[in-house]
Amino acid sequence: DTAVSQTPKYLVTQMGNDKSIKCEQNLGHDTMYWYKQDSKKFLKIMFSYNNKELIINETVPNRFSPKSPDKAHLNLHINSLELGDSAVYFCASSPRQDATNEKLFFGSGTQLSVL
Amino acid sequence: AQSVTQLGSHVSVSEGALVLLRCNYSSSVPPYLFWYVQYPNQGLQLLLKYTTGATLVKGINGFEAEFKKSETSFHLTKPSAHMSDAAEYFCAVRYTGTASKLTFGTGTRLQVTL
Repeated sequence: DTAVSQTPKYLVTQMGNDKSIKCEQNLGHDTMYWYKQDSKKFLKIMFSYNNKELIINETVPNRFSPKSPDKAHLNLHINSLELGDSAVYFCASSPRQDATNEKLFFGSGTQLSVL
Repeated sequence: AQSVTQLGSHVSVSEGALVLLRCNYSSSVPPYLFWYVQYPNQGLQLLLKYTTGATLVKGINGFEAEFKKSETSFHLTKPSAHMSDAAEYFCAVRYTGTASKLTFGTGTRLQVTL
């Protein structure tokens, strides 16, 4: 019954590897997001998709590539992982892209540790 | 550029004491304002939000916040802290318009002591 679910919850990997994080929402929302939370708890938006279309693409290295096969899924693929990529990655969704007064629903996060 | 500032990265209160977490935004246009809470190892949950209308907003778990345009503030308060309130609290701002994004403050960790 989880509204926004992410897998895996923990991801430990070596530098240089490629990894993916999956996100699914069952709320029927049009818009999904990826946020990165660093070790100081600072949350920064990375990407936003609305109905499978990229809306927001912050200054994120090209090694990060989001993919939205349908509006209920937004996956994040990361190539050539670096130490600085270690963080907690949160997926979120909201009803509509222009629903600026609506809340975001967050997943429980994926803690990525790059060794 | 839209931004939000939270004063105090760490606040400690005694159980039963008043909780006050500060948030100021920088904008000439009134934004939509939110407070989110993050419990350990969990995602963020909405506590309350201000969009339009009444400037005093009540949220879940006894929290409330007041939008003060003259002070560009949206401070979060709770009259009596409970141990279960210990968490990370984030103020966030969002504006109308396409490609609008929710921008978070740096967070305030609330510690509640006996």
